Amino acid sequence: DTEVTQTPKHLVMGMTNKKSLKCEQHMGHRAMYWYKQKAKKPPELMFVYSYEKLSINESVPSRFSPECPNSSLLNLHLHALQPEDSALYLCASRPGVGNTIYFGEGSWLTVV
Amino acid sequence: RKEVEQDPGPFNVPEGATVAFNCTYSNSASQSFFWYRQDCRKEPKLLMSVYSSGNEDGRFTAQLNRASQYISLLIRDSKLSDSATYLCVVNLQTGANNLFFGTGTRLTVIP
Repeated sequence: DTEVTQTPKHLVMGMTNKKSLKCEQHMGHRAMYWYKQKAKKPPELMFVYSYEKLSINESVPSRFSPECPNSSLLNLHLHALQPEDSALYLCASRPGVGNTIYFGEGSWLTVV
Repeated sequence: RKEVEQDPGPFNVPEGATVAFNCTYSNSASQSFFWYRQDCRKEPKLLMSVYSSGNEDGRFTAQLNRASQYISLLIRDSKLSDSATYLCVVNLQTGANNLFFGTGTRLTVIP
């Protein structure tokens, strides 16, 4: 059974706060992703980790900081966000570059 | 030019209707293709992969036309529960960032 779990499901934070989004998968997938999705838009790639190393950073502002502590975990550290950063943040994983990608349920972030 | 183009809709169809979505891709090196379904305020979920010979899963049929570089999804006998956004996803052969999403097509099935 494929499962990517994300916490928290909902997060409200002020512009001066520091918070983190967490993602976990135990499927042995070696590629893990962070996407940002705004309403009525497709997911937009932020970061890709491949074998625990950051392989893609899609020109994401430094107020977003990814971390991959081990092959099962992926974090997204948030600091000094702006209201326009409010969105659904999706974690995803897949076994390899040619395979299906599996999404977590997402974390709804609201920046106030 | 976008890697993947998809008609955003919306498509509003009555229950029982047949509806088809198309998606075109620009890179002939594209290797694998998928349809995802996304319900409102939920994550995208894999609906089906698209194989060269075409494939069917119940009321859903996916087709790939490599010569014309498009994929399609056909839904027969639409149900109210089919209402969702359908995203086509194209996977290039190489590159770490090799997944490209269409904008999604919004389907509403009306009673």
